Amino acid sequence: GQQLNQSPQSMFIQEGEDVSMNCTSSSIFNTWLWYKQDPGEGPVLLIALYKAGELTSNGRLTAQFGITRKDSFLNISASIPSDVGIYFCAGQAGGTSYGKLTFGQGTILTVHP
Amino acid sequence: EAGVVQSPRYKIIEKKQPVAFWCNPISGHNTLYWYLQNLGQGPELLIRYENEEAVDDSQLPKDRFSAERLKGVDSTLKIQPAELGDSAVYLCASSTNNSPLHFGNGTRLTVT
Repeated sequence: GQQLNQSPQSMFIQEGEDVSMNCTSSSIFNTWLWYKQDPGEGPVLLIALYKAGELTSNGRLTAQFGITRKDSFLNISASIPSDVGIYFCAGQAGGTSYGKLTFGQGTILTVHP
Repeated sequence: EAGVVQSPRYKIIEKKQPVAFWCNPISGHNTLYWYLQNLGQGPELLIRYENEEAVDDSQLPKDRFSAERLKGVDSTLKIQPAELGDSAVYLCASSTNNSPLHFGNGTRLTVT
């Protein structure tokens, strides 16, 4: 099925460093979501973006909804070991209901203490 | 509030056997989703329910997969017969109108 183009595929960083990952699509989305998935668990919602240009923070996490509505990025500042996991972007195209989310392939984040 | 509950957490079966997964959504969430997650990939939608009605099952392989959501609360996803390529994590999620999805921890299926 269709998936978003998420990059990078993986990142290895030192504790304390900042992290940036992004997602692009050939289609316009009305909503962008960022999820984190730990091993053996389901994705957990981090940030939801509803308007083009919107910049939203959740603690050390900041995400933006691209002006073109075809991209989004997620930044993590001052990374800590518990940030380890897989980060997924997800886009929703139609209306205001979460009818069908399209997910990226994920970014695997490893943080070295 | 309790989250989305799925069972079993793990299932190992031989090919050609049937298997079923169960999901109990968050209380009050009228929309329920089943997603398939292959190793190293993001989740892909299989079927979406609005209350007891399947409103999007275009990605569900109907020759071997079936789902039901009797009474519009919990749901069951079945595969019969299972194939080797069905090995994956099956995620259930739920939401209310205009709210993001909340996922369960999934059922990891291994078909040998």
